[in-house]
Formats: sequence, C-alpha cells, structure tokens
Amino acid sequence: AQKITQTQPGMFVQEKEAVTLDCTYDTSDQSYGLFWYKQPSSGEMIFLIYQGSYDEQNATEGRYSLNFQKARKSANLVISASQLGDSAMYFCAMRYISSGSARQLTFGSGTQLTVLP
Amino acid sequence: GAVVSQHPSRVICKSGTSVKIECRSLDFQATTMFWYRQFPKQSLMLMATSNEGSKATYEQGVEKDKFLINHASLTLSTLTVTSAHPEDSSFYICSATGTSGSRRIDEQFFGPGTRLTVL
Repeated sequence: AQKITQTQPGMFVQEKEAVTLDCTYDTSDQSYGLFWYKQPSSGEMIFLIYQGSYDEQNATEGRYSLNFQKARKSANLVISASQLGDSAMYFCAMRYISSGSARQLTFGSGTQLTVLP
Repeated sequence: GAVVSQHPSRVICKSGTSVKIECRSLDFQATTMFWYRQFPKQSLMLMATSNEGSKATYEQGVEKDKFLINHASLTLSTLTVTSAHPEDSSFYICSATGTSGSRRIDEQFFGPGTRLTVL
C-alpha cells in the first residue's frame, strides 16, 4: 500500500525567508510520481511541482523546488523568498497505478503554512 | 493547463434531500474522473474513480448507493448524494485525466470544489 506522511501540521515562516515542508512516502513500486499542491482557504487545489521517480535532477518551478532523496523516500518542498500569499495548506501526493489500472493519487495529511509579515 | 469546473460551488440542503454535483472538463476529454471528499482541516480522501461509460469503482467504506456517480460523457461526471444527512456535510472535489487531441493528460486537474452543508 502507498502511504504519504507529512509530519508538520503547521509551520510559520517570516516573509522573504525560505521554508521547507517535509514529506516522506512509502511504496514498493519502482515507478511513481510525487506532487505538491497548494490549497488556499478558497479550497481550490493548485498544482505546484512534480517529481518522477526516475528523474535524476530535483524539480524546480520558480520559487518552488523539490528536494528529492529517493533512498530516504523523501520529497520535501522548499519555498524560497516566502510571500504573504503563500499562506495556505500544502499537500504532498503520490501517484501510483491502482489495481484497476487508474493512475490514482494518495495525499498526505497536509501542512498549514503561515507567512508572517 | 486543462480546466475543470464544478457546479454548484456551494449548496445548502435539508436533511433527507438529494443533491447533485456536476464536474466538467472544459477543454479536454476526461476519460477518467475522480471524486474526493475533504472534511475541515483534513486531507483529501478518494471516494471513487470513474471511467467514461463504465461503472465507478468505489473506495472501501464508501456507500455506492448513497453516493451515485455517473460518467456518461467525456466531459461530464456527476455525483449525487442521496438522502443527505448532516454528517455528509463536506467539501467535495473532482479531478480529471484524459486526452486533448492526440496528447495524453496524465496529471489530475482539479475542479474548484463544492461545499455541501446539510441542515
């Protein structure tokens, strides 16, 4: 079974500083994908960044980077130069092939990030 | 990116009534749609997976007779909460994968969600 663990229910960061949100995963699959989503209070799920299990380089998207350590099964999200608008819930998710062949996502419990002015 | 819409965004209903939530893919063909439920301060929990033209596959613990899913076309899936009760109050989110022309869309694109309140 696939499992995603986010151990930080809440995090605070000062505006303009960097913050790391932790994510570890457990799977016996060799091929999988890791995602990070942002969910503001409005509820929409905003895709941030993706890392494939065979990607050798860490993914980066603007101020977001993914610190992928495959041997440790971790996929931490790093947000640089935090902005007040970054305050939101952040979810780590893993994509896997279900028994029904659908490409499903399993989500972690989330981390509520608050950026302080 | 591909766009998914949901309607309504908010709905309040009386206990015992049925509520239908629509999920549409606006610019691609959604061959697979997913329905999630999210309680306050919690994560998204997958309820069911539906492929166009087929019966939905429900996750363990989800009552298929209570949460009716129809995916009759490549752009529309509906979730009907039958005989809703206060404990069904939640945030319901759909997502979709599929194709756009000859391009396969593997990533799940999410709708904006529907907040259901059952009085």
